Amino acid sequence: EAGVAQSPRYKIIEKRQSVAFWCNPISGHATLYWYQQILGQGPKLLIQFQNNGVVDDSQLPKDRFSAERLKGVDSTLKIQPAKLEDSAVYLCASSNRPGRNNSPLHFGNGTRLTVT
Amino acid sequence: DQQVKQNSPSLSVQEGRISILNCDYTNSMFDYFLWYKKYPAEGPTFLISISSIKDKNEDGRFTVFLNKSAKHLSLHIVPSQPGDSAVYFCAARDSGTYKYIFGTGTRLKVLA
Repeated sequence: EAGVAQSPRYKIIEKRQSVAFWCNPISGHATLYWYQQILGQGPKLLIQFQNNGVVDDSQLPKDRFSAERLKGVDSTLKIQPAKLEDSAVYLCASSNRPGRNNSPLHFGNGTRLTVT
Repeated sequence: DQQVKQNSPSLSVQEGRISILNCDYTNSMFDYFLWYKKYPAEGPTFLISISSIKDKNEDGRFTVFLNKSAKHLSLHIVPSQPGDSAVYFCAARDSGTYKYIFGTGTRLKVLA
């Protein structure tokens, strides 16, 4: 099966600019997650979708970050305006049945964002 | 509030020997635990998992042990190979929300 697709792979922007990341999960995976991984740290959950509904966005800085998952498939994560501390790798993951065992998260290769 | 902790940022092991990576957690609501492996410029790749109702799961050279009373799990790699050199993340799933919480990772280096 095809894996989780993310684009772009790399993005460099200046602070206060806006940026958007795209994710296409594994076909049939209803649950989609966006994680932020800062260098030297583990992935931190930003938002979790079940189909096109938000399950958890408690860690999403809503004053500058937004995410949507139209039609319950692809998702976009946007930052506007970006700050220096947003420099990180943004990982998208999907799961078939997150409540079942033997149903782990599958990750894309991420988008490395550098804010200058 | 770090609910999943990997206290060793790095580990070096000789090829052919055992690698033991450790992980501690604090949340009693976690019911499913996973290990991921990450190479540079790639996303984390699922390696092995264990349900909270088990204390051991084995897959080839990889074995995960869970000690619920101590809220501790470990990943054993035997024998270690140079290709195992990567960053390993421990993750835990919250049984109520299905949120997956990750540790900070341990960089394993297997020396040839």
